[in-house]
Amino acid sequence: QVQLVQSGAEVKKPGASVKVSCKASGYTFTSYDINWVRQATGQGLEWMGWMNPNSGNTGYAQKFQGRVTMTRNTSISTAYMELSSLRSEDTAVYYCARVGWLFAWHYYYYMDVWGKGTTVTVSS
Amino acid sequence: EIVLTQSPGTLSLSPGERATLSCRASQSVSSSYLAWYQQKPGQAPRLLIYGASSRATGIPDRFSGSGSGTDFTLTISRLEPEDFAVYYCQQYGSSVWTFGQGTKVEIK
Repeated sequence: QVQLVQSGAEVKKPGASVKVSCKASGYTFTSYDINWVRQATGQGLEWMGWMNPNSGNTGYAQKFQGRVTMTRNTSISTAYMELSSLRSEDTAVYYCARVGWLFAWHYYYYMDVWGKGTTVTVSS
Repeated sequence: EIVLTQSPGTLSLSPGERATLSCRASQSVSSSYLAWYQQKPGQAPRLLIYGASSRATGIPDRFSGSGSGTDFTLTISRLEPEDFAVYYCQQYGSSVWTFGQGTKVEIK
């Protein structure tokens, strides 16, 4: 079945970096963009950026520009999100999500498959 | 950047009642790029509605979406016990995705 499997929980110190992986299976990895979304405890969903696994092209939310890098390894159908200069406010669950699409007179885009999330805790 | 404002923040209803959730955009949004998600505690969000009104695969027909321009609505016709959760609207435009702040549907 179509799924995204994320790496395990991480604990990092302020100023460090974290790299979260997201392995796709059950579909052609290079045919769908991947979004990264995070959620602090008790808070809403926050979009961080997107990556096209075919081209490697990326787009980041302004808030994370300069601190986030999204990459991929197509040979193992895995996307990565690296966040640097971590601070306590980055403590959150990080999700990868597949960008589904449909063409019926025009394009529809949505996030139809989600990973279970990776908890990142930033603490001294 | 388009801001999505959801109302109410919390909706207290009983099973069997109708739920009406609102999502208002700060500027016009393409209906093709408006979606709704359900999230339960400890779980990832689940796609309910895409294209403002199309149900995702496996979503029961008690869930329906409507609206256009700046005003969108998610309706749950008769609440089932498993529908008590947080609901988010989301839009995509100019390579940027944004979410509303969420509406919690709780048991009254």
